[in-house]
Amino acid sequence: GQQLNQSPQSMFIQEGEDVSMNCTSSSIFNTWLWYKQEPGEGPVLLIALYKAGELTSNGRLTAQFGITRKDSFLNISASIPSDVGIYFCAGQPNSHQGAQKLVFGQGTRLTINP
Amino acid sequence: DGGITQSPKYLFRKEGQNVTLSCEQNLNHDAMYWYRQDPGQGLRLIYYSQIVNDFQKGDIAEGYSVSREKKESFPLTVTSAQKNPTAFYLCASSSTGRREKLFFGSGTQLSVL
Repeated sequence: GQQLNQSPQSMFIQEGEDVSMNCTSSSIFNTWLWYKQEPGEGPVLLIALYKAGELTSNGRLTAQFGITRKDSFLNISASIPSDVGIYFCAGQPNSHQGAQKLVFGQGTRLTINP
Repeated sequence: DGGITQSPKYLFRKEGQNVTLSCEQNLNHDAMYWYRQDPGQGLRLIYYSQIVNDFQKGDIAEGYSVSREKKESFPLTVTSAQKNPTAFYLCASSSTGRREKLFFGSGTQLSVL
């Protein structure tokens, strides 16, 4: 089946640094979703992308839908302690086919040193 | 506030026992889903339902059962046939259409006594 490679698996950064993570696939996706999950909680949707080349921001977070439609990137600027968590990407290979087709990345665990 | 409510937050199962996890949504979404999350792993789809009174198996349905009698509710039963039930269970719902978004509940941690 389709797979998403999310990298890096973990990041250890200093407060105030910028963060970049990405998801790549050998297959084309029509939708990219980025989530953040904190310990013991469900993932929270951060950004949704629906068009190749689309660049969308949500506060200090910016995500891009890759031009090839096989990748997506999430950047966090000027990190703060509350950014700690696991960030997941999810790709939808076909529109109108339901979220049961979503493919999830393995997650990037972000740790911030104050 | 609109959202997805899962209960209980923590659940313990004795060997041979069936347990039911509750999921209720007030987002007016047609589709609902159950995922299993194991430490350090991605999400795996257990069951999904796109409409009331209909549901489909996901990737890891063995040992689980669901029902969808109401649009708002999609309970998951972990049966005694599920030999490794300890995991974090997530319920989700989505709108249908071209710009789908999947929203999650806060999860239920199931452990075996």
